[in-house]
Amino acid sequence: GAGVSQSPSNKVTEKGKDVELRCDPISGHTALYWYRQSLGQGLEFLIYFQGNSAPDKSGLPSDRFSAERTGGSVSTLTIQRTQQEDSAVYLCASSLVEGGTDTQYFGPGTRLTVL
Amino acid sequence: AQSVTQLGSHVSVSEGALVLLRCNYSSSVPPYLFWYVQYPNQGLQLLLKYTSAATLVKGINGFEAEFKKSETSFHLTKPSAHMSDAAEYFCAVSEGFQKLVFGTGTRLLVSP
Repeated sequence: GAGVSQSPSNKVTEKGKDVELRCDPISGHTALYWYRQSLGQGLEFLIYFQGNSAPDKSGLPSDRFSAERTGGSVSTLTIQRTQQEDSAVYLCASSLVEGGTDTQYFGPGTRLTVL
Repeated sequence: AQSVTQLGSHVSVSEGALVLLRCNYSSSVPPYLFWYVQYPNQGLQLLLKYTSAATLVKGINGFEAEFKKSETSFHLTKPSAHMSDAAEYFCAVSEGFQKLVFGTGTRLLVSP
């Protein structure tokens, strides 16, 4: 079966522009996670969805970042007024159910470059 | 809050040699621990996970890890390195039964 997919794979934008990053989780997975991987900060948790609701948004770095999930499936991470420090690889993961032992399956990531 | 420390940002081994990647955790509750591998320009792939069953966990590609509560460690080992093992390895702990908290990663270099 298909794994987690993300689009676009690469995104180059200018400072101040808005960007949308998309994640398609594995079919049937109820939990969805966004992480950010950057040279300075390593792998950081951003937000977590259970179904369409986000019980934990604690990792979003500023109010320029938002995310939604519709139909319990696709999720979109939006960054408004991008800054150079937003440059990173954004990784999406999904798991069958919420739970500490459940495996999170990762997508290939979207590499965002803000000029 | 739970945290993970990976000692050594880079580890170099020769092909056929033992691989040892170190991970220590900090947790006030029994942890769930994971090792992931990342190949260049790819996402993370699960190697193995500890979920409080057996303390010695076997994973894919010949890797295994042993949970040692007394040492708060979860080191990753492989008896004989292959060239194809060259990648970045991340140790992680599950916090709040939801998000993963990752270590800073260890890049494994394998020389012929």
